[in-house]
Amino acid sequence: SSEVTQDPAVSVALGQTVTITCQGDSLRTYYGSWYQQKPGQAPVVVLYGNNIRPSGIPDRFSGSTSGNTASLTIAGAQAEDEADYYCNSRDGSANPVFGGGTKLTVL
Amino acid sequence: ELQVVESGGGVVRPGGSLRLSCVASGFTFEDYGMSWVRQAPGKGLEWVANINWNGDSSGHVGSVKGRFTISRDNVKNSLYLEMNRLRVEDTALYYCTRDVRSGDKYVFDMWGQGTMVTVSS
Repeated sequence: SSEVTQDPAVSVALGQTVTITCQGDSLRTYYGSWYQQKPGQAPVVVLYGNNIRPSGIPDRFSGSTSGNTASLTIAGAQAEDEADYYCNSRDGSANPVFGGGTKLTVL
Repeated sequence: ELQVVESGGGVVRPGGSLRLSCVASGFTFEDYGMSWVRQAPGKGLEWVANINWNGDSSGHVGSVKGRFTISRDNVKNSLYLEMNRLRVEDTALYYCTRDVRSGDKYVFDMWGQGTMVTVSS
């Protein structure tokens, strides 16, 4: 079982703001990272560390952490943001561990 | 071009073996730790193993310990995953990733397209 948990599915109206969350005790110690995966494609990192966006990731993606919860916020969601989103943190041995993923639907 | 390319997947019987390879290009391979991450059909991502820049430290997820071994060859810019005693539940797309680790941060910042491993009788 995953030591990092995510809601299985979230939906958002086009242009609205949505927050995807990830919970795990390790998030009190380690920063999480967030990955976007579209059907048939490899995952792409969209956020990591203290709200760091890799080059090429739109600034509508942002993140925060409070206690044991990391959040990925998409402000003004676009149709192309529809994807599976995975958070990653660490397990009790400090090895990486992924959450179960959240399927984002843009209505 | 900045990329990692996996190979070596295929169909194998339960109990069989496979060796996956990943060739890196466009960056200084020995500057980075690397990982294998897998995804079973229709399922989520699972970290499988990682290795540090020079190969003297590695980790494996519990379900593959004693069966899989990660290794690297910095001269050949290559990462490997030796997979033995394969089980049906090892069936997945196996991704090679470049890792960036710094204190409390860990990110898989580059992914290949994956190589498919199917374990079936």
